[in-house]
Amino acid sequence: DAKTTQPTSMDCAEGRAANLPCNHSTISGNEYVYWYRQIHSQGPQYIIHGLKNNETNEMASLIITEDRKSSTLILPHATLRDTAVYYCIVRVAAAGNKLTFGGGTRVLVKP
Amino acid sequence: EAGVAQSPRYKIIEKRQSVAFWCNPISGHATLYWYQQILGQGPKLLIQFQNNGVVDDSQLPKDRFSAERLKGVDSTLKIQPAKLEDSAVYLCASSLDRVNYGYTFGSGTRLTVV
Repeated sequence: DAKTTQPTSMDCAEGRAANLPCNHSTISGNEYVYWYRQIHSQGPQYIIHGLKNNETNEMASLIITEDRKSSTLILPHATLRDTAVYYCIVRVAAAGNKLTFGGGTRVLVKP
Repeated sequence: EAGVAQSPRYKIIEKRQSVAFWCNPISGHATLYWYQQILGQGPKLLIQFQNNGVVDDSQLPKDRFSAERLKGVDSTLKIQPAKLEDSAVYLCASSLDRVNYGYTFGSGTRLTVV
């Protein structure tokens, strides 16, 4: 699976949009971009994933550049409960294929 | 649907003792994973089961760690004997055997070896 590069930490203001970048310059054509987050003392939680097109669900939006070498996770209206470590992972979406986690971005939402 | 259940939630043992963790995945999920998460790091995969067979245990320290998945449902992870560096959170996750289906993680067991 391709490696990803994320900032170690970032702060954002409550009620504002949080934009979390991820670089995956060596991504292969059959690899998807996945985002998970881990709130303190909990297991990681799936947020969203995509291949080429931008994706949106009730939690977030995922913007993937045209060359697929980077992506941005957008939390449209950050709340204090969004404080967590966010992991960007690229992997082949084959059944049973494992997730490989990096260090993630520690996001602190401030009032 | 019920989530992935893990027990115990916390465990403190002395080095060289043994310990076991239990995981009950979401009903119908064929794939089960055990991850180790050391403080400040991302989770690291230890072992992956497909039903009751091992798919990947390349990162499992087999001299002290063992895992089994009875009847393709519940799973146990054992450490014997424990070392100080085994202090970590042990996470269990399960997934349907389908393309594009995400993982569901349990809350983990926090192990402290003293």
